Amino acid sequence: SQELEQSPQSLIVQEGKNLTINCTSSKTLYGLYWYKQKYGEGLIFLMMLQKGGEEKSHEKITAKLDEKKQQSSLHITASQPSHAGIYLCGAGTNFGNEKLTFGTGTRLTIIP
Amino acid sequence: GAGVSQSPSNKVTEKGKDVELRCDPISGHTALYWYRQSLGQGLEFLIYFQGNSAPDKSGLPSDRFSAERTGGSVSTLTIQRTQQEDSAVYLCASSRSGSAQFFGPGTRLTVL
Repeated sequence: SQELEQSPQSLIVQEGKNLTINCTSSKTLYGLYWYKQKYGEGLIFLMMLQKGGEEKSHEKITAKLDEKKQQSSLHITASQPSHAGIYLCGAGTNFGNEKLTFGTGTRLTIIP
Repeated sequence: GAGVSQSPSNKVTEKGKDVELRCDPISGHTALYWYRQSLGQGLEFLIYFQGNSAPDKSGLPSDRFSAERTGGSVSTLTIQRTQQEDSAVYLCASSRSGSAQFFGPGTRLTVL
């Protein structure tokens, strides 16, 4: 079965600083999804990447999928308190992306 | 509503009782998913419905778990004879075929 490894497990960043979260798989990723979760809430969809080398940005968040489709990174520029939460990467196990496998998450704390 | 809704938001039950968890997907989404999130196991896939096809039940942990989707819309996840290890947050998601999954706020189940 596919496993996703996220790093780091937790991250404490001063407000205004940039940060990067990584998601790595030993197998080819068929669709890579980034979600954000706040305590007691569901997952908020951030971005979906499907093609090798693909890069997407939304506001201050940029996600990339490498050419081999085995690693993705999420980069936040000029972090804000609203970016705090748990970031999860999820990936499909086949072309249809039905059954997502998720990483263990990265807990991001923003300090003023 | 605009998003996926789940009810109840919290459920406390006694060991051995049956529980039903409800999910209302986003209108027009043909696919519906159930996941379970617990401290020890992270986020795990349980079951997937796509249109009128037979559901993919490969993630259900035991035969005490079952789910149905009526009329291609609302879904109910039933856990019979609950055990303490069933305590978790149960998340529902829906999507258009091949597109990103959008999650509900979850139902927090506590089995005493």
